[in-house]
Amino acid sequence: KAGVTQTPRYLIKTRGQQVTLSCSPISGHRSVSWYQQTPGQGLQFLFEYFSETQRNKGNFPGRFSGRQFSNSRSEMNVSTLELGDSALYLCASRGRGLAGETQYFGPGTRLLVL
Amino acid sequence: AQSVTQPDIHITVSEGASLELRCNYSYGATPYLFWYVQSPGQGLQLLLKYFSGDTLVQGIKGFEAEFKRSQSSFNLRKPSVHWSDAAEYFCAVGAQGAGSYQLTFGKGTKLSVIP
Repeated sequence: KAGVTQTPRYLIKTRGQQVTLSCSPISGHRSVSWYQQTPGQGLQFLFEYFSETQRNKGNFPGRFSGRQFSNSRSEMNVSTLELGDSALYLCASRGRGLAGETQYFGPGTRLLVL
Repeated sequence: AQSVTQPDIHITVSEGASLELRCNYSYGATPYLFWYVQSPGQGLQLLLKYFSGDTLVQGIKGFEAEFKRSQSSFNLRKPSVHWSDAAEYFCAVGAQGAGSYQLTFGKGTKLSVIP
């Protein structure tokens, strides 16, 4: 079974631009979560989608948004980029969205904001 | 709210030596506990997980972890470290609430291995 894939792997943007990141979960998985990883803050939960609905959102400003499609693929968008948005963005999928299910992570998209 | 503490930011061990990485969690209910490993520039790979039952869990690559409820700990161990184990290790607690679920991670412990 193919793992979680994320595209693109690397991105360079400038302040004020917007960016869209994509995540394809493991086949059959319906839950997709996004995390931001920075050296200062570590790994922080952004949001979770299940069956095209956002179920939970972490403590991030409204510039961070996402969506999930009927095939469970997910995108996250960051508008009006700031320097502090430079990070590794990780996507994780799990099967039926049940408590305690293992989350499987993709390789991440590294975003650099100049 | 749940939290995870990994007290050691950086640990250096010699190849062949034993390893123990510490993890303490705070969570009101029975936790779902995980250890992930991350190599430079890569995503997270699951090493092992604890949901319930036997408090000593075995994982991949020869790792094991022991859940101790009384100490709110979930320490990761390996009897003999290999150079390829050099990476960053993250402990996480999974929390379910209001129809959603998220992992809360510790800050990570970077492991260096001396040949």
